[in-house]
Amino acid sequence: GQNIDQPTEMTATEGAIVQINCTYQTSGFNGLFWYQQHAGEAPTFLSYNVLDGLEEKGRFSSFLSRSKGYSYLLLKELQMKDSASYLCAVRDSNYQLIWGAGTKLIIKP
Amino acid sequence: IAGITQAPTSQILAAGRRMTLRCTQDMRHNAMYWYRQDLGLGLRLIHYSNTAGTTGKGEVPDGYSVSRANTDDFPLTLASAVPSQTSVYFCASSEGSGDTDTQYFGPGTRLTVL
Repeated sequence: GQNIDQPTEMTATEGAIVQINCTYQTSGFNGLFWYQQHAGEAPTFLSYNVLDGLEEKGRFSSFLSRSKGYSYLLLKELQMKDSASYLCAVRDSNYQLIWGAGTKLIIKP
Repeated sequence: IAGITQAPTSQILAAGRRMTLRCTQDMRHNAMYWYRQDLGLGLRLIHYSNTAGTTGKGEVPDGYSVSRANTDDFPLTLASAVPSQTSVYFCASSEGSGDTDTQYFGPGTRLTVL
């Protein structure tokens, strides 16, 4: 079966750094996506990794290790507006996205 | 540019009734998707369309049907709603080509079936 695992919830402090992990087991791999979803809103695209390594985009970075079936999203200089759910998704051999249940990130002042 | 719109925003429906959720995009994207999102579960693909005139089944297609008569519209129909179809429904679209082929989501429809 196909499986995407993420922690259910994490708490961090404003101004700090947080790492959200994602492990996956899928039939094939054609890229990994991270999306942000604020409560009651639609998911919005954050990052895409298809090769091993780190992709940096402002305060957000995403890392991929295909051999380990592992990715993480790193958020720096946390702001209150970063309170949201973060969704990890893998594109499988059929080019369909398989989604994790999401990690709810709570930012405290 | 609106991107993707969905209607209605929310709906309460009696079990057994027929319901069509509407989705329209103005980005001229080839591919469109319907997902449902339930608490504690990841987004699950219901149906998809790689291009106008074609559709395919996703992970949870039973009880739902779709059509893709043109590029812009991708309605989702529940022929006879059941309480287990209570969920938030998201429509998404993508170019349908390229390495990234990012999916962009509509605002969602919150459906309650009683």
